[in-house]
Amino acid sequence: AQSVTQPDIHITVSEGASLELRCNYSYGATPYLFWYVQSPGQGLQLLLKYFSGDTLVQGIKGFEAEFKRSQSSFNLRKPSVHWSDAAEYFCAVDSGGGADGLTFGKGTHLIIQP
Amino acid sequence: NAGVTQTPKFQVLKTGQSMTLQCAQDMNHEYMSWYRQDPGMGLRLIHYSVGAGITDQGEVPNGYNVSRSTTEDFPLRLLSAAPSQTSVYFCASSRDTALNTEAFFGQGTRLTVV
Repeated sequence: AQSVTQPDIHITVSEGASLELRCNYSYGATPYLFWYVQSPGQGLQLLLKYFSGDTLVQGIKGFEAEFKRSQSSFNLRKPSVHWSDAAEYFCAVDSGGGADGLTFGKGTHLIIQP
Repeated sequence: NAGVTQTPKFQVLKTGQSMTLQCAQDMNHEYMSWYRQDPGMGLRLIHYSVGAGITDQGEVPNGYNVSRSTTEDFPLRLLSAAPSQTSVYFCASSRDTALNTEAFFGQGTRLTVV
């Protein structure tokens, strides 16, 4: 069965500093990978996704993520965070069947220090 | 742009009561799903539907029923609420089950069972 691990439950970053959120997945074949963001009291919004091709994908709000097959990772990065980036971030994988829904990691809570 | 609309936003139930969480989308999406979000657990799939008249179980279906009589609506029913069903519930929809389609989430229903 597929699984997603987000090793960091909380991360604190100073405003203007760079950010990297880690995501590791377990799946036998090529996974389909997603990053979602959840602002307080809100639903989830898709930041970016990877299906195939270029392993560095660009998303909204200045985020990017790099797929590394050898490390089974799909880490999310941003060169300079803003206070509005404070939120919960979820990595998710789809096994390829589509109808079975997404398997989510447990989330990383991002705190921005002024 | 209504997107995915969930009602109610908040609900308190007594143990043993029944209720229906409503979910409606106006994007003519075929695929709809229900997730529950618990602290430290990420999101887990409860039930999903690939089209009107078709539903199936996800990872945590026990205690929940769904139906899909129309493309637009996908209600989630709790027949006899239990404290273990205290959670935040999210409805999501996507154009179809193809992996290159984005899932859109509602803003959630926060349910407390006392």
